Amino acid sequence: GIQVEQSPPDLILQEGANSTLRCNFSDSVNNLQWFHQNPWGQLINLFYIPSGTKQNGRLSATTVATERYSLLYISSSQTTDSGVYFCAVDISGNTGKLIFGQGTTLQVKP
Amino acid sequence: NAGVTQTPKFQVLKTGQSMTLQCAQDMNHNSMYWYRQDPGMGLRLIYYSASEGTTDKGEVPNGYNVSRLNKREFSLRLESAAPSQTSVYFCASTLAGGITDTQYFGPGTRLTVL
Repeated sequence: GIQVEQSPPDLILQEGANSTLRCNFSDSVNNLQWFHQNPWGQLINLFYIPSGTKQNGRLSATTVATERYSLLYISSSQTTDSGVYFCAVDISGNTGKLIFGQGTTLQVKP
Repeated sequence: NAGVTQTPKFQVLKTGQSMTLQCAQDMNHNSMYWYRQDPGMGLRLIYYSASEGTTDKGEVPNGYNVSRLNKREFSLRLESAAPSQTSVYFCASTLAGGITDTQYFGPGTRLTVL
């Protein structure tokens, strides 16, 4: 089956720093989403981005489908950005069955 | 809108006991999902329901059963709990499961099997 690999596994930043998280996937996908899991366990969808670039405030994401990777950029990080970031892909195209990567754990220090 | 709700929030079972995890959504979504998350890992799909009246297996269905009770509710049952089923269980829903749909997650149920 498809493999979804995220890097780095762990990241520690000082508040105000920028970061880039990467998601590689081993096969063509129809749907790619980025999620943030906060320290209390709640999962929030950040982006639906099977291709191209999107921005939402300090966060932006780029997916290069032909090269099978996606990047999540966090600028001017804040302590509230701490948590685990997951990318998830759907290869079926019509079921929403997501395959998750193992996540990047981000800690932002004040 | 409550979004996706799950009950209970926490549960401790003994090996061999059974229980049902409840999930409900009030967003008029058609598709619903059950995932499990083990420590240090991403989520893995257990079962999903593309629409009312249909269910299908995901990556890790063994040891679980599901019921799509109606459009709002999707339950997950453990018939004979095992320690390997200790995990955090998340329910999710999406409008239609299509490629443009984002998924919305419930707060999770933390299950420990002794």
